[in-house]
Amino acid sequence: EAAVTQSPRSKVAVTGGKVTLSCHQTNNHDYMYWYRQDTGHGLRLIHYSYVADSTEKGDIPDGYKASRPSQENFSLILELASLSQTAVYFCASSGPLGGRNTGQLYFGEGSKLTVL
Amino acid sequence: GDSVTQTEGLVTLTKGLPVMLNCTYQTTYSPFLFWYVQHLNEAPKLLLKSSTDNKRTEHQGFYATLHKSSSSFHLQKSSVQLSDSALYFCALRRNNNNRIFFGDGTQLVVKP
Repeated sequence: EAAVTQSPRSKVAVTGGKVTLSCHQTNNHDYMYWYRQDTGHGLRLIHYSYVADSTEKGDIPDGYKASRPSQENFSLILELASLSQTAVYFCASSGPLGGRNTGQLYFGEGSKLTVL
Repeated sequence: GDSVTQTEGLVTLTKGLPVMLNCTYQTTYSPFLFWYVQHLNEAPKLLLKSSTDNKRTEHQGFYATLHKSSSSFHLQKSSVQLSDSALYFCALRRNNNNRIFFGDGTQLVVKP
């Protein structure tokens, strides 16, 4: 079974502070994603990455930066956390489509961020 | 552009009844469709997937058929259980892109 682990699982931050959410995958997947979920709502893509040392903007990148220093690790950085960034953040990885690969997402357990 | 539409935000049913959650999509490329289920305070996990036109796929009592003619991939179950209460997402991935497009999700609530 594919494995994606996130840390921290829960964090309380102060407005204006810096927050780093980390994600580590052992799936040997090239593709990694950061999603945001507000309570009871859908998943919105923040940033994603196809390869180490490269990141792409998703649908809601404002206020977030991403870093992919290696194939296994993908971080989400909030330089100046704001109240509106209170949410649950999910990291996910996937392989390519084709052959035996279905291209499904494997999600981490989520990081609950509360900004006060 | 590519998109996924789930028309129901909330579906409330009594245990034992059938359910169908709607999913339609837009893309000009060859699509891969997925259903993910998310139980309360858990991560989403894959429920079903398909890229084959008109072929029914099944898992854990749920089933769906990809119909490219109508751009649909509706999720069905013949008899819902209390444990099926969850948030269900339909998702699209096209064969030449690594972006995955999610619908807004349908909250299924099953009552005794």
